[in-house]
Amino acid sequence: GAVVSQHPSWVICKSGTSVKIECRSLDFQATTMFWYRQFPKQSLMLMATSNEGSKATYEQGVEKDKFLINHASLTLSTLTVTSAHPEDSSFYICSVPGTNYGYTFGSGTRLTVV
Amino acid sequence: AQTVTQSQPEMSVQEAETVTLSCTYDTSESDYYLFWYKQPPSRQMILVIRQEAYKQQNATENRFSVNFQKAAKSFSLKISDSQLGDAAMYFCAYRFFNAGNNRKLIWGLGTSLAVNP
Repeated sequence: GAVVSQHPSWVICKSGTSVKIECRSLDFQATTMFWYRQFPKQSLMLMATSNEGSKATYEQGVEKDKFLINHASLTLSTLTVTSAHPEDSSFYICSVPGTNYGYTFGSGTRLTVV
Repeated sequence: AQTVTQSQPEMSVQEAETVTLSCTYDTSESDYYLFWYKQPPSRQMILVIRQEAYKQQNATENRFSVNFQKAAKSFSLKISDSQLGDAAMYFCAYRFFNAGNNRKLIWGLGTSLAVNP
């Protein structure tokens, strides 16, 4: 399956600033990547589907202007949380659909906005 | 719309014993994929087992096996000889077979499994 690298693992930022999270597919060309948000002891909530070379598809209720997704190459997708606020603090995970209908997940990013 | 239900928010098992986690789903499709993922305290999602709906044989991976009941839309996970390292959140997930551009997973709410020494 694919090897996925997600950075940073954790980040603390000040309220009002922007934070960029990277998801790299190291050995697999990913035309699609998924971005999730997860609150403690809860399930994964799909935020958006990142599509290489085109606009991301956002799930209902997710603010496009707040969570900017860029998928400029087959190996890299980025999620930028703009003008972050404390309520944006969460665990963010990316996922790459690989071969044999499997999925590989990044190790996640813990975002804390202070 | 497809839904996935895990009715057991928390479960516990004694080390070396067997535990079964339940998952039911709702779909009008005849072909699809079902998954069990494990999320340990590190929060790294790990694939435990995968089942193709068109296969009648239940999938097995070492100590992990499923009981796939297609008519009942049930997909339970059995963990045999439980080990301390099995302690984690377990998520059941569904994916369309002919996904085309829709390859997203539909997730259950998860079951937290504790393994007691």
